[in-house]
Amino acid sequence: EDQVTQSPEALRLQEGESSSLNCSYTVSGLRGLFWYRQDPGKGPEFLFTLYSAGEEKEKERLKATLTKKESFLHITAPKPEDSATYLCAVRNQGAQKLVFGQGTRLTINP
Amino acid sequence: DSGVTQTPKHLITATGQRVTLRCSPRSGDLSVYWYQQSLDQGLQFLIQYYNGEERAKGNILERFSAQQFPDLHSELNLSSLELGDSALYFCASSLSNTGELFFGEGSRLTVL
Repeated sequence: EDQVTQSPEALRLQEGESSSLNCSYTVSGLRGLFWYRQDPGKGPEFLFTLYSAGEEKEKERLKATLTKKESFLHITAPKPEDSATYLCAVRNQGAQKLVFGQGTRLTINP
Repeated sequence: DSGVTQTPKHLITATGQRVTLRCSPRSGDLSVYWYQQSLDQGLQFLIQYYNGEERAKGNILERFSAQQFPDLHSELNLSSLELGDSALYFCASSLSNTGELFFGEGSRLTVL
């Protein structure tokens, strides 16, 4: 069964303090690892898709990387508006659905 | 704005009742997915439709059913509601079976 584990559960940073969120996964034939951002009371917002080990994607202060067992979401010099829950999900070769982790709740203090 | 529309945004009902949640996917998207999000379970996949046909099923209870209509909108029917069914229900759509999912704002169901 596909599994996604995210750590830490919650992370509090000061504005400008860079850090990384971790997503460990086990999947039978990865056909995409996805990062989403979710604000309270809102639906998840798509950020990135990574398909193979070594791939990297960037968007503003966020950079996602992928290895064969985990993905990292690096956040550089974050701002308070980056506060949100970040969700990681995987899709395997035989499935249509995404399997989500529990998320990391990120808070950036001004 | 993802382009996915869900109604109603909030719904309060009693145990034993039945409700219908509605989803309009992004223009052109053929796949619709339903997810349930509760505090302790995270986002759980319920069911997927592609161009009107059921394509995948998750841990969807027998009391729950869904369909996708010819105009591609979808409805999730929840019956014999229990307190534990209180959750956020999200609809997502994608152009194909392998594309990124785009989520609506969700329908918050409270069962009293």
